Amino acid sequence: QKEVEQNSGPLSVPEGAIASLNCTYSDRGSQSFFWYRQYSGKSPELIMFIYSNGDKEDGRFTAQLNKASQYVSLLIRDSQPSDSATYLCAVNPYMNRDDKIIFGKGTRLHILP
Amino acid sequence: DVKVTQSSRYLVKRTGEKVFLECVQDMDHENMFWYRQDPGLGLRLIYFSYDVKMKEKGDIPEGYSVSREKKERFSLILESASTNQTSMYLCASRGGGLTETQYFGPGTRLLVL
Repeated sequence: QKEVEQNSGPLSVPEGAIASLNCTYSDRGSQSFFWYRQYSGKSPELIMFIYSNGDKEDGRFTAQLNKASQYVSLLIRDSQPSDSATYLCAVNPYMNRDDKIIFGKGTRLHILP
Repeated sequence: DVKVTQSSRYLVKRTGEKVFLECVQDMDHENMFWYRQDPGLGLRLIYFSYDVKMKEKGDIPEGYSVSREKKERFSLILESASTNQTSMYLCASRGGGLTETQYFGPGTRLLVL
């Protein structure tokens, strides 16, 4: 069973601080990794994807991938109250197929004003 | 801009009714998905389709069926709705390629009485 694990939270972070969200995955052959943000009552929207080891930055967001340790993380710098949401980690675990990705259950992030 | 639309945002049905949820995408994506999302359980894949008239069962297909007669449209059918099918239903589509993003529709909140 291919799995993606996240701490459910809630993770409380003061406004202006760095929020760090972590995700581990079970399949060592996983190819690509995605972070989605989901506001309450809304559908998930993509924030970032990453498929190479190391860091990838986009504005206040940085995705970090470590394939040897099988974890991927999302850092949010200068956290804002509008960042309060559930963050879903998603992984494509299939070497030769690109049709289905596996989602974690999400981490609830709460930014304290 | 990619657009995934779902036929209803809110739906109220009675136990035993046949329910149709429709999803349309405008990006010529090969892959389409139906999920349900419940508190504490995360996104659970019901069915997905990787081509017209092709379908595969996801993790929780019992009580559901699907239809994909045209590439842009993917329908979820509840043959005889039950109260335990009250949930948020999310449709998604995704193109081919390991780094292709999965795009979600706005969701349908279904209440079965």
